[in-house]
Amino acid sequence: DGGITQSPKYLFRKEGQNVTLSCEQNLNHDAMYWYRQDPGQGLRLIYYSQIVNDFQKGDIAEGYSVSREKKESFPLTVTSAQKNPTAFYLCASRRTGLNTEAFFGQGTRLTVV
Amino acid sequence: QKEVEQNSGPLSVPEGAIASLNCTYSDRGSQSFFWYRQYSGKSPELIMFIYSNGDKEDGRFTAQLNKASQYVSLLIRDSQPSDSATYLCAVSPGSARQLTFGSGTQLTVLP
Repeated sequence: DGGITQSPKYLFRKEGQNVTLSCEQNLNHDAMYWYRQDPGQGLRLIYYSQIVNDFQKGDIAEGYSVSREKKESFPLTVTSAQKNPTAFYLCASRRTGLNTEAFFGQGTRLTVV
Repeated sequence: QKEVEQNSGPLSVPEGAIASLNCTYSDRGSQSFFWYRQYSGKSPELIMFIYSNGDKEDGRFTAQLNKASQYVSLLIRDSQPSDSATYLCAVSPGSARQLTFGSGTQLTVLP
């Protein structure tokens, strides 16, 4: 079955730690996205990538980093510089082009303990 | 300035009524428009997309687009309690490859 897999589903981070959220897709989509969602809020774009080895900052990139070494994979690292990382993180992928919808993974809920 | 705005809600309608959800966007060059539904604690799922001015119907859902007014809406006819969710409007700007979401409208359908 084609789809997007995010792991882990739940993640706990201690203060000052870096953590990496995994996102893998087998839909052969070129574009991949990371969004953050806070309770009762919409989705805010962190980073996106249109092609392997290239990515762009979104609206709230500070304190986050990404890599795109393979078409299928777009991991997100939440660094210690992100002061308020507790949120629901969503990864999405999309075929290249304007008139294409995004498909989402099941999300990772990150909590700082 | 926020790029995609939705009516703030929450919105409550009785079962069987029409629910109307609205969205405005700032980029005149925007090309494609999407409505997603998100149940609490879950990821968004696509309901409808629309690219051309006018109405597009799919079952109980109708999307309406007016590019001159920079306005897109979603009507849900014969609303059911299972329609209770947050509805997210998403816009793909013309000059970029981003997909920008609004803050969502929470809909509750009362039995």
